Amino acid sequence: AQTVTQSQPEMSVQEAETVTLSCTYDTSESDYYLFWYKQPPSRQMILVIRQEAYKQQNATENRFSVNFQKAAKSFSLKISDSQLGDAAMYFCAYMPGGSYIPTFGRGTSLIVHP
Amino acid sequence: EPEVTQTPSHQVTQMGQEVILRCVPISNHLYFYWYRQILGQKVEFLVSFYNNEISEKSEIFDDQFSVERPDGSNFTLKIRSTKLEDSAMYFCASSEFTGGWENTEAFFGQGTRLTVV
Repeated sequence: AQTVTQSQPEMSVQEAETVTLSCTYDTSESDYYLFWYKQPPSRQMILVIRQEAYKQQNATENRFSVNFQKAAKSFSLKISDSQLGDAAMYFCAYMPGGSYIPTFGRGTSLIVHP
Repeated sequence: EPEVTQTPSHQVTQMGQEVILRCVPISNHLYFYWYRQILGQKVEFLVSFYNNEISEKSEIFDDQFSVERPDGSNFTLKIRSTKLEDSAMYFCASSEFTGGWENTEAFFGQGTRLTVV
């Protein structure tokens, strides 16, 4: 069974600084996708960034980037130049090849201080 | 931008009552899901639905749960006899099903908070 672990229930960052959210996963698959979703308060989850396991290059979307360490089964999210609007719950998710069903972690609540 | 909508946003029900949670997936999506999140715990997969039938379900999705696509737009989750432990946030999601990996993103609704008292 695949599991996704987010060991940080809550993280804080000062506006304009950088924060890294951790995620590890357990799988025996070699083909899979990894995702970070953001859920602002009372809003729906939206996809922030995704990574295909076969790609060695780390995905980047503007201020969001990942550090994908396949051997270590680690998939951390780095948010640069944090903004107040980044405050949200962040969920890491894993989806194996051949499936359309992501498995989620417990989430990390990100607080951004002005 | 198209989005998944869920109603109601909050539902309070008495233990033993039946509830129906409603979702309108994105119109050209073919793959639908229900997830739930008990407060403070992880988001758990319940069931997926494709081509008018259940595609996969978790062990949580027992006989008290059912899903239906009653018309061309709605996707519902019914809980037949609610229990206190069913209290959770329920998320509906949908995704395109192209047969390839280009559109693997699941789009989520904002959730229905179910409180069983």
